[in-house]
Amino acid sequence: QVQLLESGGGVVQPGKSLRLSCAASGFSFSSSAMHWVRQAPGKGLEWVAVIAYDGSDKNHADSVKGRFTISRDNFKNTLHLQMNSLRPEDTALYYCARDVGYSISSGRGFDYWGQGTLVTVSS
Amino acid sequence: NFMLTQPHSMSESPGKTVTISCTRSSGSIASDYVQWYQQRPGSSPTTVIYEDNQRPSGVPDRFSGSIDSSSNSASLSISGLKAEDEADYYCQSYDTSSHWVFGGGTKLTVL
Repeated sequence: QVQLLESGGGVVQPGKSLRLSCAASGFSFSSSAMHWVRQAPGKGLEWVAVIAYDGSDKNHADSVKGRFTISRDNFKNTLHLQMNSLRPEDTALYYCARDVGYSISSGRGFDYWGQGTLVTVSS
Repeated sequence: NFMLTQPHSMSESPGKTVTISCTRSSGSIASDYVQWYQQRPGSSPTTVIYEDNQRPSGVPDRFSGSIDSSSNSASLSISGLKAEDEADYYCQSYDTSSHWVFGGGTKLTVL
């Protein structure tokens, strides 16, 4: 069955960096676009970034553009989120999610979600 | 960019039907698919409706989605409410600038 397992979260000081990973299994990872979505404590869902099936195209939310970078390793079936210049408002549970389609513009939604990894930005 | 507006909370009794709305602020609701996600307390989201009205396998047919162009909104209906349906529900759609938009979420209480 499809499994998405996030890791890499933790407590980090403002201005520092963190790299999240999402290990995928149970499906053809290299055929699916992938996303990162975050949820601040007690708040709603916020889309963060998307990457195409082959890594050729990507996009980031305005709130993280220039600070976060999504990437993928199709040989290792792993999705990454490099987070630089972290701010307290980046504190959230970060989920990876599989797109129904393969491109960043599929528009078809997400069908599987991981359990999330918690990032806390605090001094 | 557009916004998706949902009621903050709703409540209904077991066995009844509840309909959660999701109104798009600009552009046509019909121009991009709408998805609905369920998030039970302490759990990650799961998909209950994708592509406006499609149910993933395993989602009971008590869940249905629809689009109303006249009100520029999407709706999620849950019939025969059960205690296990108590959760937060989020609508989502796609912005042609390759961004994804979520509604603010609706907390459903099954009394």
